[in-house]
Amino acid sequence: RKEVEQDPGPFNVPEGATVAFNCTYSNSASQSFFWYRQDCRKEPKLLMSVYSSGNEDGRFTAQLNRASQYISLLIRDSKLSDSATYLCVVNPGGYSTLTFGKGTMLLVSP
Amino acid sequence: DTAVSQTPKYLVTQMGNDKSIKCEQNLGHDTMYWYKQDSKKFLKIMFSYNNKELIINETVPNRFSPKSPDKAHLNLHINSLELGDSAVYFCASSQTVTNEKLFFGSGTQLSVL
Repeated sequence: RKEVEQDPGPFNVPEGATVAFNCTYSNSASQSFFWYRQDCRKEPKLLMSVYSSGNEDGRFTAQLNRASQYISLLIRDSKLSDSATYLCVVNPGGYSTLTFGKGTMLLVSP
Repeated sequence: DTAVSQTPKYLVTQMGNDKSIKCEQNLGHDTMYWYKQDSKKFLKIMFSYNNKELIINETVPNRFSPKSPDKAHLNLHINSLELGDSAVYFCASSQTVTNEKLFFGSGTQLSVL
């Protein structure tokens, strides 16, 4: 089983739609979780952290389910500018570096 | 005033050549990294340095040699380039070795012909 797995997509949605991505991780001892966003031919940038209690930042909501070892990202009222690849990122803990998933591509169309 | 800058942005070279990629961060961070993103978009850690000291070397061929002259710089030298080295190489930094927010450079697209 891969350390961090994501559906590569692409997810094609119209503007205004709600879309959700899931990500599973294999290391049950993982300590913290993040979503990064990567635009085409650009560098990844931190979108948001994922807390056990869930967290919301505007149109974006992230959830963590430790029992099932998955993380989700919900985007409401999709904008054209949301088109990007969303990378699920897991911190195994200690001095290990972050582990990146391969990303889920989102395409928002007019 | 770019936070993490790397050069060159594009690098096209022949097999067997030696090339270097430079990275500098002006954020005052202690930790710097090199990541490789291959054609399948998988972003994988190569090296991590904390205050100029190597702390992670992830099974990278010894043709790849990182060098950190000070904590603001982390360069990557690649000897005897191979076709399989073609990828995008990202430099990144974080405030400390356990800090989880990474700031990435804009990447260097390496094409080996």
